[in-house]
Amino acid sequence: AQSVAQPEDQVNVAEGNPLTVKCTYSVSGNPYLFWYVQYPNRGLQFLLKYITGDNLVKGSYGFEAEFNKSQTSFHLKKPSALVSDSALYFCAVRGRLTGGGNKLTFGTGTQLKVEL
Amino acid sequence: EPEVTQTPSHQVTQMGQEVILRCVPISNHLYFYWYRQILGQKVEFLVSFYNNEISEKSEIFDDQFSVERPDGSNFTLKIRSTKLEDSAMYFCASSRLGNEKLFFGSGTQLSVL
Repeated sequence: AQSVAQPEDQVNVAEGNPLTVKCTYSVSGNPYLFWYVQYPNRGLQFLLKYITGDNLVKGSYGFEAEFNKSQTSFHLKKPSALVSDSALYFCAVRGRLTGGGNKLTFGTGTQLKVEL
Repeated sequence: EPEVTQTPSHQVTQMGQEVILRCVPISNHLYFYWYRQILGQKVEFLVSFYNNEISEKSEIFDDQFSVERPDGSNFTLKIRSTKLEDSAMYFCASSRLGNEKLFFGSGTQLSVL
């Protein structure tokens, strides 16, 4: 079974400071990894994905994530946080061996709060 | 950017009633999904649909649930006899291919009274 852990319910950071939102995963074989963001009363919006290749993936709005196979992690990062980045962030995983279902398994989400 | 649209945005129903949640996926997408999010909890997979049949479903997706793509553009989720614990935000999603990103709709907030 595949699973995702986001160990922090909330992350607080000052605007202009770097941010990290942590994610670890468990899946059979090599993973597909995703980050989504959810603003209040909105659906999930895609930020970035890791499929293969370079371990550092760049995505929307200046976000990036680093795939670390040995630590089974895919932490989300941004060099300089903005107040507008405040939202709920979800990490998700899909195994490559799940057949045609393509089920994404989401973490519990991390609330990011960026303050002035 | 193309969008997944869901209707209605809010649905209130009495326990035991049937509800149908509607979704229009992005037109050239081949894979369709329903997820739900109970207030304050994580997003949970319900079902995936490809080539006019269910390709995977979760334990949540029991006999009370069904999905249909009735006319080549809409994708519906039916709950035959709603329970209080079905109250949640239901998200429809679609993807062009199986390993690509999912596009999510804004959700339907279902409240079962």
